[in-house]
Amino acid sequence: AQSVTQLGSHVSVSEGALVLLRCNYSSSVPPYLFWYVQYPNQGLQLLLKYTSAATLVKGINGFEAEFKKSETSFHLTKPSAHMSDAAEYFCAVSDRGGSNYKLTFGKGTLLTVNP
Amino acid sequence: GAGVSQTPSNKVTEKGKYVELRCDPISGHTALYWYRQSLGQGPEFLIYFQGTGAADDSGLPNDRFFAVRPEGSVSTLKIQRTERGDSAVYLCASSLTSGTTYNEQFFGPGTRLTVL
Repeated sequence: AQSVTQLGSHVSVSEGALVLLRCNYSSSVPPYLFWYVQYPNQGLQLLLKYTSAATLVKGINGFEAEFKKSETSFHLTKPSAHMSDAAEYFCAVSDRGGSNYKLTFGKGTLLTVNP
Repeated sequence: GAGVSQTPSNKVTEKGKYVELRCDPISGHTALYWYRQSLGQGPEFLIYFQGTGAADDSGLPNDRFFAVRPEGSVSTLKIQRTERGDSAVYLCASSLTSGTTYNEQFFGPGTRLTVL
């Protein structure tokens, strides 16, 4: 079975600082990879996804993530944090092919941004 | 356009009672999913519908949980004889038909179920 590990349940950064949220997956075959953001009392929103060849994926709100097969990682970064980035972030994976609908999520990382 | 909606937003019930949670997907989305998010955890897959039929119910924890989608649109998640461990946020998502090409799942805001 696939699994996702998000290192750090809580990350705190200053406004304007680099954001780095870590995600590692376990899968014998490179899966599809996703980052979702969840604001309080709102549904999960897709930030970005890796489903094909390009290993550096750009998403919404200035976020990007790089798929590194050798490290089985898909870390999320943003060069300069904004107060509005404060939220919970989830990394997720799914199989390629017929069962690609079944998302397996990490436990999440709560990002706080200090003024 | 309207996103995925879920009702109620909050549900408090007593142990042993029956509850129904409703999901209205995005119009035209044939695939519908239910996930459960317990406190401090990421969402966990429960069930996937393609049209009216449950294509994969492998995530349902036991036979107290059941879901239907009789007309291929609205879905209801039903929980019988609720237990305190069922307390969680139940998330619904929908997408265009699921197949070998990945289609983005759009999530609703969830229903927070509390079993006293």
